[in-house]
Amino acid sequence: SAVISQKPSRDICQRGTSLTIQCQVDSQVTMMFWYRQQPGQSLTLIATANQGSEATYESGFVIDKFPISRPNLTFSTLTVSNMSPEDSSIYLCSVWDRGGGGNTGELFFGEGSRLTVL
Amino acid sequence: DAKTTQPTSMDCAEGRAANLPCNHSTISGNEYVYWYRQIHSQGPQYIIHGLKNNETNEMASLIITEDRKSSTLILPHATLRDTAVYYCIVRVDNYGQNFVFGPGTRLSVLP
Repeated sequence: SAVISQKPSRDICQRGTSLTIQCQVDSQVTMMFWYRQQPGQSLTLIATANQGSEATYESGFVIDKFPISRPNLTFSTLTVSNMSPEDSSIYLCSVWDRGGGGNTGELFFGEGSRLTVL
Repeated sequence: DAKTTQPTSMDCAEGRAANLPCNHSTISGNEYVYWYRQIHSQGPQYIIHGLKNNETNEMASLIITEDRKSSTLILPHATLRDTAVYYCIVRVDNYGQNFVFGPGTRLSVLP
């Protein structure tokens, strides 16, 4: 199973600033995703991080606000730009891995990065 | 939108079986049923998944009805550490896309 490390695990940020979250995977993976979990809510997919090309964003999320990089098959970053208190959330990196074979796989998650914007 | 409906919350006594239901009446023939759980302040954790047949692993059992319109996740001997939000997700197995998380069921295991 894939092991995912996220940094920072938590941060407190000032309104108007930007923060970059890093996601490192211990193996090469094809698909990486970024999710947001607002306080007391379920998970919402922000975008799919594509290696070597632009990320694919879900409805309601735009590249200017959430730029994503995916320089290789084991690493990705998500930047939360020009933050406001409404951006206070847990941001989660996830990867798709088929594990030992077969025709199905699993989605693995990092522990998340908890952002508080003042 | 999530294609599943789950009860908002459930309680279970420690040591007893926890049976978590999920309705997915519009499931397609090529869609799998996945279960994840999220313990407070942690990332979601995979539990089990299945297509048609019942499945069992070291964590849980998944019972899927013959018409595939509903399923039940069974934790055979719930412990306090099983207190979490449990998510039932149906999706086509296509490299991780289409994982839509609904509100889930908040399971409280009581001593």
